[in-house]
Amino acid sequence: DIQMTQSPPSLSASLGDKVTITCQASQNINKYIAWYQQKPGKAPRLLIRYTSTLESGTPSRFSGSGSGRDYSFSISNVESEDIASYYCLQYDNLLTFGSGTKLEIK
Amino acid sequence: EVQLVESGGGLVQPGRSLKLSCAASGFTFSNYYMAWVRQAPKKGLEWVATISTSGSRTYYPDSVKGRFTISRDNAKSSLYLQMNSLKSEDTATYYCARQTTRVPLDYWGQGVMVTVSS
Repeated sequence: DIQMTQSPPSLSASLGDKVTITCQASQNINKYIAWYQQKPGKAPRLLIRYTSTLESGTPSRFSGSGSGRDYSFSISNVESEDIASYYCLQYDNLLTFGSGTKLEIK
Repeated sequence: EVQLVESGGGLVQPGRSLKLSCAASGFTFSNYYMAWVRQAPKKGLEWVATISTSGSRTYYPDSVKGRFTISRDNAKSSLYLQMNSLKSEDTATYYCARQTTRVPLDYWGQGVMVTVSS
């Protein structure tokens, strides 16, 4: 089974900052990684698939990159509406989520 | 508009069974793999099961293999999760989600709560 190591567990950022979350897979996942945003009491929302492809409606301040085992997700110019938890998901072989990152505003 | 609506959750005693349902609309259900994902209170997301378009193939993580069974009825555009031998650690909100090989888990239901407790 593929394991996903996501860091950091939490982030505190000021409005306008750039933040970055990383996920490392236990093996090459061939860019099959997606990123989700989840707000309290809500279902997760797909933001990015296949490493860097933004879903319709995802603001351009969100981005993703990476290859092989190492991937990152960034939010530039953090806005108050970005307060949420973020999860990576590998879908190269079955499905495995990262442990999540909670983004808070300073 | 794609809609996924889960039902069947509730309070159940350890060792007992429960069956969740997910009613799908707004897309051709039989063309898509479907999945269940759960989230324990204040914890992260955990994939629970996936089923192929016809239902002939099913996939589970080790944590639920042998206890949970995913199934579907394409005529009714419905997805199911039969949960047996429930444990306290199965307490979670359960989400159904649409899945494809190219676009993972793009639409989700609102979730249904399952509490396993005596």
